[in-house]
Amino acid sequence: GAVVSQHPSRVICKSGTSVKIECRSLDFQATTMFWYRQFPKQSLMLMATSNEGSKATYEQGVEKDKFLINHASLTLSTLTVTSAHPEDSSFYICSARTGTSRNEQFFGPGTRLTVL
Amino acid sequence: QQQVKQSPQSLIVQKGGISIINCAYENTAFDYFPWYQQFPGKGPALLIAIRPDVSEKKEGRFTISFNKSAKQFSLHIMDSQPGDSATYFCAAMTDQAGTALIFGKGTTLSVSS
Repeated sequence: GAVVSQHPSRVICKSGTSVKIECRSLDFQATTMFWYRQFPKQSLMLMATSNEGSKATYEQGVEKDKFLINHASLTLSTLTVTSAHPEDSSFYICSARTGTSRNEQFFGPGTRLTVL
Repeated sequence: QQQVKQSPQSLIVQKGGISIINCAYENTAFDYFPWYQQFPGKGPALLIAIRPDVSEKKEGRFTISFNKSAKQFSLHIMDSQPGDSATYFCAAMTDQAGTALIFGKGTTLSVSS
């Protein structure tokens, strides 16, 4: 299957700082990328959907000014958590769809964010 | 409104036994139903998926059974092994471009040796 990478795998930051998480499709072009957040022992909650070259679509309740998403190329999407607070601590996972596979989504390994 | 309901929340099975996880959906426009396996601290990995035109799909020890009229689908893990201990998520989505997977709440499976 296709490979999606995330960087960093884990990050610890101070409250009030901003953190950028990268999601890359390594061997395919991702027309659509998704960002999920997962709290301990819970399911994946969709935060936003991004299509290359256009603005991301955010799910209800997700602050677009706090979670900045950029999908500048067909292989890279970034999520920036601005002015992070301890309640933003979570596991952030991206996934990507190709333009050819009908439905299949390939998930990254996730990024563990801890805000002190 | 939860679109994909998954049960049980947790499951303990003896080694060699059959693990069964069930999901029900509401949106009849869904036409792709995957199951994902997730280990702690890792991203979910696709196990097996089915479309509504078939009632069963088998890949190795993993089988999906699909009941379109009941809007239910289930995952069967035959000959369960300790290495199968993980969290399993069912999901569903429509065929529309740009749509995302809708996940169930997950089932934590523990296989005792």
